[in-house]
Amino acid sequence: NAGVTQTPKFQVLKTGQSMTLQCAQDMNHNSMYWYRQDPGMGLRLIYYSASEGTTDKGEVPNGYNVSRLNKREFSLRLESAAPSQTSVYFCASSVHRGESTDTQYFGPGTRLTVL
Amino acid sequence: QKEVEQNSGPLSVPEGAIASLNCTYSDRGSQSFFWYRQYSGKSPELIMFIYSNGDKEDGRFTAQLNKASQYVSLLIRDSQPSDSATYLCAVYFVRGDMRFGAGTRLTVKP
Repeated sequence: NAGVTQTPKFQVLKTGQSMTLQCAQDMNHNSMYWYRQDPGMGLRLIYYSASEGTTDKGEVPNGYNVSRLNKREFSLRLESAAPSQTSVYFCASSVHRGESTDTQYFGPGTRLTVL
Repeated sequence: QKEVEQNSGPLSVPEGAIASLNCTYSDRGSQSFFWYRQYSGKSPELIMFIYSNGDKEDGRFTAQLNKASQYVSLLIRDSQPSDSATYLCAVYFVRGDMRFGAGTRLTVKP
């Protein structure tokens, strides 16, 4: 059981380049999330997918797009990277968003630098 | 107004002491509260969660919840150098989303 996996682990982009961050979970969870973590600001939700076939904006969605490819996979795309998107990106999953007992489990993270 | 607030620290305690980490939240209707530990360069990992007012113990960790005061804390007894990490408080808000505090950095000195 790998839990939540993310690729790549590290990435350096130039301003204006695009890339896709991949996330997969093998826990049969319904809900998946993308967060970014910046120093002093904690984890901020970018997008989430409450269930397969649905996606919704979180707290900081500008500059990002997502795709819930199937129940296991949830990708995050940066269409035109900006230095402000330099951050650590975490994918997470949970059984069912919206239930107060729901617990999120995190992947190892992707450290992205935009020059 | 920040929705989940934590002292950023760093909080430094000697080995064997009790470390006390605090968190306040803005949504009075929040029902569940989570503590995550994050080692430097790693992802957050769940320590424990609490739903009811009062104390909940799990090994050396005790979570305390006071909904009237909108306050949740984490006590770590017999602190060890391996407990040195950033501790994130997370709150499940009524509208269905989880919000994280910025974290408190804890250092346990041998």
